[in-house]
Amino acid sequence: SAVISQKPSRDICQRGTSLTIQCQVDSQVTMMFWYRQQPGQSLTLIATANQGSEATYESGFVIDKFPISRPNLTFSTLTVSNMSPEDSSIYLCSVRMGGRETQYFGPGTRLLVL
Amino acid sequence: EDQVTQSPEALRLQEGESSSLNCSYTVSGLRGLFWYRQDPGKGPEFLFTLYSAGEEKEKERLKATLTKKESFLHITAPKPEDSATYLCAVQADRSWGKLQFGAGTQVVVTP
Repeated sequence: SAVISQKPSRDICQRGTSLTIQCQVDSQVTMMFWYRQQPGQSLTLIATANQGSEATYESGFVIDKFPISRPNLTFSTLTVSNMSPEDSSIYLCSVRMGGRETQYFGPGTRLLVL
Repeated sequence: EDQVTQSPEALRLQEGESSSLNCSYTVSGLRGLFWYRQDPGKGPEFLFTLYSAGEEKEKERLKATLTKKESFLHITAPKPEDSATYLCAVQADRSWGKLQFGAGTQVVVTP
């Protein structure tokens, strides 16, 4: 498996502002994903981060709200834009390596929007 | 639409008291079923991947099994450090990596 880090680990933000979350992997990976875990709930896929092209978003998530970048095979960012209290969640990146199906998760970013 | 249902929602065990967690799924073409463990404030930790009915995998006190409709995670002689939320997820054949997660089973093991 890979070592995955996320920054920041947690943050408290004001309504209407934006936060960019970074995900760094210690080795090249084939696929990177961003998930959201709302309080007391399970994980929901936001989008697949594609290297060198636009991310692929799941139903209910849009690029204007959650812009994603993936400039290379080891790094991705997720921005939560124009935040509201409903965006308070844990945001997690995950990776797939080589031809394997298994996804490994980062430690998560805990976001609280006031 | 793919669905994953986990039961029970919560489980309280005495140390050494074996039990099983259930994950029922509906998916049009299973590419893989995954079990994760999540501790409070942390990201999910990978446990097992199962690909086809009849497959079984073991790791220490945990054993995962798979049928065409459900998976079980058996915990044998649990210890307090096995306390966590256990998550089940499926990936469909047609998806490009999307994992559909169940709500999880919160396990508490008391000494």
